[in-house]
Amino acid sequence: EPEVTQTPSHQVTQMGQEVILRCVPISNHLYFYWYRQILGQKVEFLVSFYNNEISEKSEIFDDQFSVERPDGSNFTLKIRSTKLEDSAMYFCASIPDRQSNQPQHFGDGTRLSIL
Amino acid sequence: AQKVTQAQTEISVVEKEDVTLDCVYETRDTTYYLFWYKQPPSGELVFLIRRNSFDEQNEISGRYSWNFQKSTSSFNFTITASQVVDSAVYFCALSGNGGATNKLIFGTGTLLAVQP
Repeated sequence: EPEVTQTPSHQVTQMGQEVILRCVPISNHLYFYWYRQILGQKVEFLVSFYNNEISEKSEIFDDQFSVERPDGSNFTLKIRSTKLEDSAMYFCASIPDRQSNQPQHFGDGTRLSIL
Repeated sequence: AQKVTQAQTEISVVEKEDVTLDCVYETRDTTYYLFWYKQPPSGELVFLIRRNSFDEQNEISGRYSWNFQKSTSSFNFTITASQVVDSAVYFCALSGNGGATNKLIFGTGTLLAVQP
């Protein structure tokens, strides 16, 4: 069964540095998502992406965050200048289309640790 | 606004006991979807079930069963004859048709500990 894959599985970065988290969604999917889970807390929606643009974003997704699909397969989340509070697990997900009967399947996540 | 409430923060049971995880949701959408995900200690999110708002039939899959009641806005999850491998955090989630993108709104999760 096709899977969403995320790299790296764990990223350690110094505060203030830029970080890029990578995701490869399932190949025929059109909607892509990033979610965040701070340790011990619930999973929170960050942003959705469709047709090469952001379709919805949450209050968490401020100017420090950006997403892009640089090459038609990867879907990346960039944090420009990381803060301690950005430490979390970041999950990528995708679905074929909005009317799909398929649920959102998540990648295994990237654990981001900011020092 | 959409909201999912999982009032049970932690549940501890002994193996072979039955356990029910509660989920209550709020939404103004007439069409919506409800989900359960399992998060084992390894951290990944494992999809368990998706139900749409027009299908109130209860569902059973092996030891798992789900009770969807629109009248009480609840979508409860029961594990029969629990096993140690069921130990995980379980999240209930909601997705509305009125939103732009079918984003998921998660509850705060219930940590289930199954003791041998």
